[in-house]
Amino acid sequence: AQSVTQPDIHITVSEGASLELRCNYSYGATPYLFWYVQSPGQGLQLLLKYFSGDTLVQGIKGFEAEFKRSQSSFNLRKPSVHWSDAAEYFCAVNGFGNEKLTFGTGTRLTIIP
Amino acid sequence: KAGVTQTPRYLIKTRGQQVTLSCSPISGHRSVSWYQQTPGQGLQFLFEYFSETQRNKGNFPGRFSGRQFSNSRSEMNVSTLELGDSALYLCASTMEGQNEQFFGPGTRLTVL
Repeated sequence: AQSVTQPDIHITVSEGASLELRCNYSYGATPYLFWYVQSPGQGLQLLLKYFSGDTLVQGIKGFEAEFKRSQSSFNLRKPSVHWSDAAEYFCAVNGFGNEKLTFGTGTRLTIIP
Repeated sequence: KAGVTQTPRYLIKTRGQQVTLSCSPISGHRSVSWYQQTPGQGLQFLFEYFSETQRNKGNFPGRFSGRQFSNSRSEMNVSTLELGDSALYLCASTMEGQNEQFFGPGTRLTVL
């Protein structure tokens, strides 16, 4: 069975501060991991993905994530957040030949001035 | 290249009715997946179609069905609507051999 846990339902960060969103996964084979962002009333936009290779992956909008197999984690980071980063963030997992994405429950990010 | 498009964007139905939602994938993408998003259950996988065949199915009742056409466009149908079917329905397309899914803006279904 595959599952994703995002332990933080809501995070509030000051503009310009650093950000880390946590994600833990469970997958029976080699996982493919994703972070998506969703603005209110919108679809999902892919921020970054990990399939194999370098465990630190760079994405769009200045985001990065680090895959740690030993901790079954794929945490998302950004060194300095902008007000436009306020949104909901979803971590997801699937695998080779498996299109079904399993999502975490999401983390809502609020940015304060 | 145009993204995934979904029509309609908003829909209001009453209990017992049926509804059909449409999804046009990115040109060249042959796999289409559907997801339901609700505040209570989050994002849940409905089904996936590839080359007009359902290849994967989530844990939803038979009232939820789908199909894919030869041009890769997909439709999903929900019959005998229930209040709990109110949700954002998202469609995603994938190129063959890739695992990256590109999502459309969704169809917001409200059941009264």
